[in-house]
Amino acid sequence: AQRVTQPEKLLSVFKGAPVELKCNYSYSGSPELFWYVQYSRQRLQLLLRHISRESIKGFTADLNKGETSFHLKKPFAQEEDSAMYYCALSGGYQKVTFGTGTKLQVIP
Amino acid sequence: DAGVTQSPTHLIKTRGQQVTLRCSPISGHKSVSWYQQVLGQGPQFIFQYYEKEERGRGNFPDRFSARQFPNYSSELNVNALLLGDSALYLCASSLQGLGEIDTQYFGPGTRLTVL
Repeated sequence: AQRVTQPEKLLSVFKGAPVELKCNYSYSGSPELFWYVQYSRQRLQLLLRHISRESIKGFTADLNKGETSFHLKKPFAQEEDSAMYYCALSGGYQKVTFGTGTKLQVIP
Repeated sequence: DAGVTQSPTHLIKTRGQQVTLRCSPISGHKSVSWYQQVLGQGPQFIFQYYEKEERGRGNFPDRFSARQFPNYSSELNVNALLLGDSALYLCASSLQGLGEIDTQYFGPGTRLTVL
């Protein structure tokens, strides 16, 4: 079974502070991991995926297979980063399992 | 391209009724997936269709069904509505749906309220 856990419902940080959104997963094979973001009044959109190893809007995420984690990090938070973030996993095709989400609030 | 479109935006039904939700994918995309998002939860996978065939199904009862048309648009149908079916229903499209995971592009969703 596929499972994604995001332990924090809400994460509040000050502008300029580092951000780390936690994500742990459970999957028996080799999963593909994603981070999706939903800004206020906008639709859900892909932020990054581990296979591409990109840095999007200053965010990075490293897949740690030993700890089964895929934490999202950014060195300096900006106000426009305030949004809902979802970690997601796919074991194949387009069946994607989402976590419950973490709301990031960046305090000016 | 307007992106993925869904209709209607909002819908109110009563228990026991049936509902049909519609989705139009991005032009050129052949795969459509449906998700249910209950308030406070992440999206939960319901179905994936590719080239008019069901390629994946989540853990939902048979009251949920879907189909994809030759123009790749899709409908999600829910019979015998329950209060617990109240949710935001999301549609996502991608270029294909086999093998490598394509980027999914989400629609704005249809908010279903069951009274």
